[in-house]
Amino acid sequence: AQSVTQLDSHVSVSEGTPVLLRCNYSSSYSPSLFWYVQHPNKGLQLLLKYTSAATLVKGINGFEAEFKKSETSFHLTKPSAHMSDAAEYFCVVSDLFSSNTGKLIFGQGTTLQVKP
Amino acid sequence: NAGVMQNPRHLVRRRGQEARLRCSPMKGHSHVYWYRQLPEEGLKFMVYLQKENIIDESGMPKERFSAEFPKEGPSILRIQQVVRGDSAAYFCASSPRGQMTTNTIYFGEGSWLTVV
Repeated sequence: AQSVTQLDSHVSVSEGTPVLLRCNYSSSYSPSLFWYVQHPNKGLQLLLKYTSAATLVKGINGFEAEFKKSETSFHLTKPSAHMSDAAEYFCVVSDLFSSNTGKLIFGQGTTLQVKP
Repeated sequence: NAGVMQNPRHLVRRRGQEARLRCSPMKGHSHVYWYRQLPEEGLKFMVYLQKENIIDESGMPKERFSAEFPKEGPSILRIQQVVRGDSAAYFCASSPRGQMTTNTIYFGEGSWLTVV
């Protein structure tokens, strides 16, 4: 079975400093991995996705993530945080190959706080 | 091209009443997924439907919950005899084909159910 663990439930950074949101996954197959962002009382927006192409994935709003198979990690980074980045972030794995439905499996989420 | 449309956005029900949540997928999408987000948690898969077919309902509670995606009209998630524990955000997502083809699925903005 596939699973995903977000290592920090809450991360606080100052505006203009780097962001690191950590995610480890467990999968018996080559996974598809995603990062979604959710602003308060809003839906989910896809930041980026990894589907076995380049291991360094660039997403929207300056975010990127690196797939490291040896570490089973898919950490999300951004060089410089902006106030508008404050939100809930979800690391997600898709069980593309262990079932025929490809449903998404979500981590517990990381709340990013950006201080002025 | 309108996104995934969910309504109502907010719904309040008394214990024992029925809740109906609607989801209109993006134009051209024939695959619909429902996810539930309990307070302070990530999203959990509930059910995956294609037109007139339930493909995977492994995440649906055994009682009181049902889902349909008729040939015409939106997908409906129905919760009978609601209890306080049903209070959550319910997200619908759609894709043009099953997620197993690595297509990204697109989420609606969610329906927030509050049971009083």
